[in-house]
Amino acid sequence: GNSVTQMEGPVTLSEEAFLTINCTYTATGYPSLFWYVQYPGEGLQLLLKATKADDKGSNKGFEATYRKETTSFHLEKGSVQVSDSAVYFCALSVQYAGGTSYGKLTFGQGTILTVHP
Amino acid sequence: DAMVIQNPRYQVTQFGKPVTLSCSQTLNHNVMYWYQQKSSQAPKLLFHYYDKDFNNEADTPDNFQSRRPNTSFCFLDIRSPGLGDAAMYLCATSRGTRTDEQFFGPGTRLTVL
Repeated sequence: GNSVTQMEGPVTLSEEAFLTINCTYTATGYPSLFWYVQYPGEGLQLLLKATKADDKGSNKGFEATYRKETTSFHLEKGSVQVSDSAVYFCALSVQYAGGTSYGKLTFGQGTILTVHP
Repeated sequence: DAMVIQNPRYQVTQFGKPVTLSCSQTLNHNVMYWYQQKSSQAPKLLFHYYDKDFNNEADTPDNFQSRRPNTSFCFLDIRSPGLGDAAMYLCATSRGTRTDEQFFGPGTRLTVL
């Protein structure tokens, strides 16, 4: 089956620190990989995505590279801000050969990030 | 520019009293999803529609039902809410392929008294 494992949180950083949130996956089929962010009291927003091996997704200073050899999609940001405090979810979507998954997502458990001034 | 709209944002109901949550979209996407999310846990998929084709997750309780009368609207009905059904309910839409992201609404926070 498909699964996503994220590093356990919560993660607490000072402003301008470097951020890494680890994400590894197992999948049958050909996965696309996503990072979603959820701010308090809101729905999820797509942060970035990568749809094939070696693709790099980037947005708002965040980056993640699809590594097929290590089945990983780690999220990084060089200098975090207080406004980055949120919950981050890694997720995958798989297209089955000869069928469709209708874009269903398998989520990791989420990582709570708190950034202090 | 709201793309996925959920109403109401906050819903309070009594134990056992039916409740309906609403979702609408302006994206004209084929697929609409309903999730249940508790605390800061990962969203749990309840069911989804591809057009009018309904797909239920195996572990979704019978207490949860859904309707999609047209492309734009989808409803979540909870027939007899229990205390354990208190959660955030998220609606999302997608074009439904492997590479397409899902677009989420802001959610409805359900409280059961």
